[in-house]
Amino acid sequence: KAGVTQTPRYLIKTRGQQVTLSCSPISGHRSVSWYQQTPGQGLQFLFEYFSETQRNKGNFPGRFSGRQFSNSRSEMNVSTLELGDSALYLCASSFESGGSYEQYFGPGTRLTVT
Amino acid sequence: GDSVTQMEGPVTLSEEACLTINCTYTATGYPSLFWYVQYPGEGLQLLLKATKADDKGSNKGFEATYRKETTSFHLEKGSVQVSDSAVYFCALKGDAGNMLTFGGGTRLMVKP
Repeated sequence: KAGVTQTPRYLIKTRGQQVTLSCSPISGHRSVSWYQQTPGQGLQFLFEYFSETQRNKGNFPGRFSGRQFSNSRSEMNVSTLELGDSALYLCASSFESGGSYEQYFGPGTRLTVT
Repeated sequence: GDSVTQMEGPVTLSEEACLTINCTYTATGYPSLFWYVQYPGEGLQLLLKATKADDKGSNKGFEATYRKETTSFHLEKGSVQVSDSAVYFCALKGDAGNMLTFGGGTRLMVKP
């Protein structure tokens, strides 16, 4: 079974631009979560989608948004990019069954804002 | 809110040495606990998990026991290899949805 895939793997944007990142979960997984990883703040939860609905949201400004499609694929969007948005963005999917909530991570998208 | 505290690294060991990476947590309710590993340039890989008190998670020679009385989930391995060099993250999933709260990560370097 294929793992979580994220596209693109690397991205360079200019301050003020917007960006869209994509995540395809493992087949059959309906929950998709997004995390931001930076050297200073570590791994921080952005949001989680389940069956096309946002179920949880972390403490990030409204410039960060996301959505999930009927096939469980998810996108996250960051508008008006700031230098501090440079980070590794990780997507994780999970199959919730019988109390198992293991999250499986993709390789990440490395975003650099200049 | 929930939080996870890990020992700071880097931890440098010689091959075949014993490893312990400390992890303690603060959470309400009954969280599930996880260890993830991140190799350079890659995402996170689930190493092991425990979902209730006194559970022991194990995988690839690594072990961790869910200790509710000390709110700890220390990662141990009896004999490390060079290929174990990576960053290790302790994480918990609380009662609020599918959100993971991570510790700061511990870099392990194993020398031949």
